[in-house]
Parts: sequence; structure tokens; C-alpha cells
Amino acid sequence: QSVLTQPPSVSGAPGQRVTISCTGSSSNIGANYDVHWYQQLPGAAPKLLIYGNTNRPSGVPDRFSGSKSGTSASLAITGLQAEDGADYYCQSYDYSLSGSVFGGGTKLTVL
Amino acid sequence: QVQLQVSGPGLVRPSQTLSLTCTVSGGSISSGTYNWSWIRQLPGRGLECIGYISYTGTPYYSPSLESRLILSVDTSKNQFSLKLTSVTAADTAVYYCARDGGGGAFDYWGQGTPVTVSS
Repeated sequence: QSVLTQPPSVSGAPGQRVTISCTGSSSNIGANYDVHWYQQLPGAAPKLLIYGNTNRPSGVPDRFSGSKSGTSASLAITGLQAEDGADYYCQSYDYSLSGSVFGGGTKLTVL
Repeated sequence: QVQLQVSGPGLVRPSQTLSLTCTVSGGSISSGTYNWSWIRQLPGRGLECIGYISYTGTPYYSPSLESRLILSVDTSKNQFSLKLTSVTAADTAVYYCARDGGGGAFDYWGQGTPVTVSS
């Protein structure tokens, strides 16, 4: 059972917009700790997609955006492309555990 | 460009000790205020941060593993290492090393090494 809760799967057609939610609690996201998002392609290591809730590392398309409110965060992907099909994970810090915690991951299927 | 490379055995017997090393290239492990981390991915997808060590050698251990986990850093070799004792089948996972680049985000990852605990 992951500390952060994500939907197991989402799907969308090419060109559409999808969002992936990440729900935490008062000891992590709700305590104002940053949320980060990762994309994991099959057989590869996770890749940092969004850091500090809303920031994109160099090279990440602006089709990817992050937001945070209260005890939750969201990753939005616009103009969906076939290559976006992957697993997506959110991550934050939890003070009760004194360490980083991840969501269980969301599998994005591009129809 | 910082690169991380994990090395270690892919098969460990139950009750034995798992030892992994992460070699950092493209930058000094002791420059900056980074935390050098170990993350594992259990079968079925979940990611778990099992611990990290600062460039000064101060470790953090996941509460669920701290009785079995030892992390260390060798700045002369630009490496950091993990030892997990008394392993069981529940420790079977892909193990990644990663850099916490500041603010808690893991900006560089090693390629991951699959570890199976089996007799």
C-alpha cells in the first residue's frame, strides 16, 4: 500500500488531454512538501518529468504540466502522443516517515 | 552529464547479504549538497525509497529496513554502496541508485539492476 494514492490506469486518444491525480495526507503533500513526477518507459529507469510541483527539467515538452492543491497534486498531459504511453509516478516527502514516498504508479494507455 | 551505474550480483540466497555499489561519473560525489539514494521497484510496479546517504556520509534508512540496511560512501572512488542483510524473497526487486538533486527530486538515475532472492 503506497503512501501516495494514484489511479492504477488512465487512457486517452491521441491529441487528447489526460490528468493523473496523486492524493496524499497532512504528513506529506498537505504539509507543503513538494511533489515530483516521473515517467517510466518499459524496461527503463524512471525519468524526472516535473519537479517542485510545477517545474519541467530541460528537454521535457511543455505538454506536461503539474499542479498541487491541499493534500493532492495532478499531472496533466495535453496533445497526447503514442510515445507518452508509460507508467507515471508521483513522489513527495513524508515527515512522519522522515523520507521520500512514492505513489503506486499510473499506467497511461494511448488508445 | 552525471551518470550512475549500479553493480552487484543478480542472485542472492535467502538469509545472505545483498551488496550493491553505485559508481558516479561526470561529477564528484562530494561536490554539492546532494543525497545519494537507493530506490527499489518491487514486482508489480511500486517504487520504494529505501535510504540515502549524504556526501558527508550521513545516512537515512527507511524505517521498514533500518535494522538490516547499511549505506556507505567512498568519495575516493566516487561510489556509494548498499548492504542489505538477512534477505528474503520479499527483497526481490529491481534496485536503482539515484541522485537527489536538491528539493527531494531524483534527477539522475542508474540503469537499475534486478536482484532475485532465491535458493
